[in-house]
Amino acid sequence: GDSVTQMEGPVTLSEEACLTINCTYTATGYPSLFWYVQYPGEGLQLLLKATKADDKGSNKGFEATYRKETTSFHLEKGSVQVSDSAVYFCALSRGDTGRRALTFGSGTRLQVQP
Amino acid sequence: NAGVTQTPKFRILKIGQSMTLQCTQDMNHNYMYWYRQDPGMGLKLIYYSVGAGITDKGEVPNGYNVSRSTTEDFPLRLELAAPSQTSVYFCASSTGTGRDNEQFFGPGTRLTVL
Repeated sequence: GDSVTQMEGPVTLSEEACLTINCTYTATGYPSLFWYVQYPGEGLQLLLKATKADDKGSNKGFEATYRKETTSFHLEKGSVQVSDSAVYFCALSRGDTGRRALTFGSGTRLQVQP
Repeated sequence: NAGVTQTPKFRILKIGQSMTLQCTQDMNHNYMYWYRQDPGMGLKLIYYSVGAGITDKGEVPNGYNVSRSTTEDFPLRLELAAPSQTSVYFCASSTGTGRDNEQFFGPGTRLTVL
């Protein structure tokens, strides 16, 4: 079945450091890929997405590129801020299934220190 | 435009009690989903619906029931609460169309079963 694997956390960085959170997936067909962010005490918000190979999703300084050859969708940011502290989830969705539900990774907690 | 709303925000149940988690969306979305999020884990699909009157099981449906009598509402029922159902529950909705089928999440219900 489909699965998403992302790096264990927590990831602790100083403000203005570079961030990479690794995400790899297993799925048949051509899934769409997503990064969701969950701030403390809140629900999930879509951060960025990519729907086909070599697409780059970007938002709020975060970027991720859909790499079909390595089945990866790593999240990157050049300079993190304290306000980026949250849990980040990588997820996929397949358009060829009736449910079109999301399959999530286990989440990576990011802590940014001033 | 409230998006996806969930009630209650928090609830403590005793083993064997029953309750209904409410979910309402005002975006006229056909697809609705219930996920649970256990500590340190990603979200897992409990049930989903592709339209009023149509529901189906997800990955972890045991101990839950759902109904979809209107487009807007998708309540989740726990009949005999068990400690294993202690979790955070998220409702989501989407159009069900488009390559990405972006899902919009509610703020969640934190349930503790003692």
